[in-house]
Amino acid sequence: GAVVSQHPSWVICKSGTSVKIECRSLDFQATTMFWYRQFPKQSLMLMATSNEGSKATYEQGVEKDKFLINHASLTLSTLTVTSAHPEDSSFYICSARRSGRGGRLHGNQKMNTEAFFGQGTRLTVV
Amino acid sequence: DAKTTQPTSMDCAEGRAANLPCNHSTISGNEYVYWYRQIHSQGPQYIIHGLKNNETNEMASLIITEDRKSSTLILPHATLRDTAVYYCIAHSGGSNYKLTFGKGTLLTVNP
Repeated sequence: GAVVSQHPSWVICKSGTSVKIECRSLDFQATTMFWYRQFPKQSLMLMATSNEGSKATYEQGVEKDKFLINHASLTLSTLTVTSAHPEDSSFYICSARRSGRGGRLHGNQKMNTEAFFGQGTRLTVV
Repeated sequence: DAKTTQPTSMDCAEGRAANLPCNHSTISGNEYVYWYRQIHSQGPQYIIHGLKNNETNEMASLIITEDRKSSTLILPHATLRDTAVYYCIAHSGGSNYKLTFGKGTLLTVNP
């Protein structure tokens, strides 16, 4: 399958500082990338959807001024957690979906394209 | 996206087939069934997806009932490394593509 690389895999920062997380699609172009957050023993919660060259769409309850998303190219999206606080400590995961008209052929059935996920970034704010 | 219902947890013996059920009784005609899994402290891994026909790949098989109201993910020979949370998602894709994760099923493969 396709490879999505996330960096760093873990980071510890002081309260009040900003942290940038990178998400790269290594072997495909991704028009759309997604950012998720996961607290311990909970499921993934979608934070925002980012489209290359346009503003990100944030889910309800996610502060766009706190979680800055930039999707400047078809292979790179970044999430910056600004003025981080201990409650922002979480596992952040990005996902990317292939560009194009989508739908590879499988027999006579055109398949919808799947999304691929990065390995996640463990953010701890102290 | 249609709501999906999965058991909270399941156990399976190593080497045996693991059959993970998913109910999606309100699925619409253009919604696919996706399966992902998440091993502890890692990002989710794509497993398989399908629309109405059964699908098989190197990881698993997906059996979708004729009325598409439920499906089963089959890991034919479970190993200890298959211990993970498995998510079943019904999604139409297209321009409004975004995957929404439920609680999933924690599959524990026992030696």
